[in-house]
Amino acid sequence: SQTIHQWPATLVQPVGSPLSLECTVEGTSNPNLYWYRQAAGRGLQLLFYSVGIGQISSEVPQNLSASRPQDRQFILSSKKLLLSDSGFYLCAWSRGGRTYEQYFGPGTRLTVT
Amino acid sequence: GESVGLHLPTLSVQEGDNSIINCAYSNSASDYFIWYKQESGKGPQFIIDIRSNMDKRLGQRVTVLLNKTVKHLSLQIAATQPGDSAVYFCAENSYNFNKFYFGSGTKLNVKP
Repeated sequence: SQTIHQWPATLVQPVGSPLSLECTVEGTSNPNLYWYRQAAGRGLQLLFYSVGIGQISSEVPQNLSASRPQDRQFILSSKKLLLSDSGFYLCAWSRGGRTYEQYFGPGTRLTVT
Repeated sequence: GESVGLHLPTLSVQEGDNSIINCAYSNSASDYFIWYKQESGKGPQFIIDIRSNMDKRLGQRVTVLLNKTVKHLSLQIAATQPGDSAVYFCAENSYNFNKFYFGSGTKLNVKP
């Protein structure tokens, strides 16, 4: 069976510090990978998605970036965090091709102070 | 981008009653819809999906209805249980299978 992991589960970082959130998927190959951000009491905003190693599509302009160094690894980064980067970050995967269902990880709660 | 929203931000129901959560979408070209359940502090969990060539789909204790004429989606939960308490999101996909647009969510409170 497939599983998706995210870490850390919670993170408190000062403004201006760097960020690295990691997501890995097990039990599948060539997945599509996604990063979402969820503000408190709000829906999910798609930040990045990737259909393969080194292939990243950005949905919204921001000071965040994403990388996919391995097939089942997806990293969300920032060089300098802003207060507005606080939120709940969710990684998701779906099978490649025209299948739609996305499976979400447990999320990372980021608080920028 | 596409607009997906929910009519009721909070819904309180009595245990054992049926629940109906509604969702409106704006893009008539959307061809796939999913309902997700999100418990506090956790990632969304897939509940049920429906494609635009259907108007109803049944799951385990849940039914999704799609009215393309008015661009409306609903999730019906039968015999609501305390474990159903969560935030429910609808999401739509328009041809591009990589992109889903999520509504803001409805919080379901189940009273014992």
